[in-house]
Amino acid sequence: NAGVMQNPRHLVRRRGQEARLRCSPMKGHSHVYWYRQLPEEGLKFMVYLQKENIIDESGMPKERFSAEFPKEGPSILRIQQVVRGDSAAYFCASSPVEDSNTEAFFGQGTRLTVV
Amino acid sequence: GQQLNQSPQSMFIQEGEDVSMNCTSSSIFNTWLWYKQDPGEGPVLLIALYKAGELTSNGRLTAQFGITRKDSFLNISASIPSDVGIYFCAGQGIASNTGKLIFGQGTTLQVKP
Repeated sequence: NAGVMQNPRHLVRRRGQEARLRCSPMKGHSHVYWYRQLPEEGLKFMVYLQKENIIDESGMPKERFSAEFPKEGPSILRIQQVVRGDSAAYFCASSPVEDSNTEAFFGQGTRLTVV
Repeated sequence: GQQLNQSPQSMFIQEGEDVSMNCTSSSIFNTWLWYKQDPGEGPVLLIALYKAGELTSNGRLTAQFGITRKDSFLNISASIPSDVGIYFCAGQGIASNTGKLIFGQGTTLQVKP
C-alpha cells in the first residue's frame, strides 16, 4: 500500500522557467493539501483540493501559483516564472475524508531550487 | 493570522536524558498534533490530541493538550540517538473547516551518545 508519492524529489529550475510538482495521494484518498517549507521554518499551508475542486486556496500567492486535482491523475502544483524566493520544499498531504487533516499523511516532498 | 510559538528552537542533550518542548498560541485550537521530520523527508505524525486537557502517550513520547486550548507540550523520555530530528507542533484552528494545519517553527533535537 503505497504512501503519498511526490515527484520529482528534487527539481532545479532557472529563473523565469515553470515548475510542475506532482502528488499522487494514497489509494482511496480524495483530499489533497499542499504546504511549503522554507529552510529552517515550519510548513505553511498553501491550498486544499478535492477531486476537480479547489476548496481553500487562502495560502496560495495570488500570482504565478496554481493547483489542480483532476478527476484522473495526480494533483499538480504549478509555479510559473519561478524566482529565487520560490526555492523551498513543497509537501503534499492526503486524507480520505473532509475535515480530517489530522488523518492526513505527508509525502516526502519536492525540493525546488531556483538558480 | 493564527501563529504558533514553539520553544525551544534547538536542544542538544545527552543520550538517556528527558526532553520537553512546547507550543503556545494566542488563539484557540481544536486539535494539536506533534510531528517529527528527518532530513530530506516529510513530517511523520507522532501524537494527535483532540480534547482540552487530554494527555496521550506513544511509547516514550507523551503530549498534552492544554486546558486553555492555547498550548501543548511534548515530552520524550530516556532519549536515544534516533530521536534526532526536527519536531513540529501543528494545530487546527477553531475557525477552520477545511482541516488545514498551522505549524510551529520547529525544535531541532540533537542527542549525544
